[in-house]
Amino acid sequence: GNSVTQMEGPVTLSEEAFLTINCTYTATGYPSLFWYVQYPGEGLQLLLKATKADDKGSNKGFEATYRKETTSFHLEKGSVQVSDSAVYFCARLMDTGRRALTFGSGTRLQVQP
Amino acid sequence: KAGVTQTPRYLIKTRGQQVTLSCSPISGHRSVSWYQQTPGQGLQFLFEYFSETQRNKGNFPGRFSGRQFSNSRSEMNVSTLELGDSALYLCASSKAGTGVPYEQYFGPGTRLTVT
Repeated sequence: GNSVTQMEGPVTLSEEAFLTINCTYTATGYPSLFWYVQYPGEGLQLLLKATKADDKGSNKGFEATYRKETTSFHLEKGSVQVSDSAVYFCARLMDTGRRALTFGSGTRLQVQP
Repeated sequence: KAGVTQTPRYLIKTRGQQVTLSCSPISGHRSVSWYQQTPGQGLQFLFEYFSETQRNKGNFPGRFSGRQFSNSRSEMNVSTLELGDSALYLCASSKAGTGVPYEQYFGPGTRLTVT
């Protein structure tokens, strides 16, 4: 299969709390994995990526590690800010030969001051 | 460096009409992909163009088509619009070539409303 599964939202946290958004994927191989973020009224911004097993992607305090044993790519941040409120999408590169992305359903994060 | 631009940003059309959306990729990016985003179906891949040729295609009916010009700008067309075509249409560009890490950069989208 080609699917990506994310935890349902919304996730509501207080400022400075720890964030985890779960993401698992199905694959016959080891596709590149991505996290995108979408702020209200905007397109998607690439947040981080990992191209092979055990890679850790990181950006702006967010991290995710490519775990082939559990086929997971969970997004984490140690201390969230109100400005992190957005919808987060996990994605994988489609099967070999198809240069396109399959996305999860998105997880809305709401951070309260 | 300018990002991906899409025009128009908002569009209202009537059932049965057709519509053309435009996308200008990041300078130097030769691959352009289109996605449809709806609350019910999420983000779904429509098609990808590279060097003026459709290289990949998602599972959408033939009413959805696209093209790419020699300057890598792309257009997508939807004919005989249906209410269910109301969505945010996102364009993404990427560098293309072997050995280049695959990353897609998205535009702000065109919000299409079909009435």
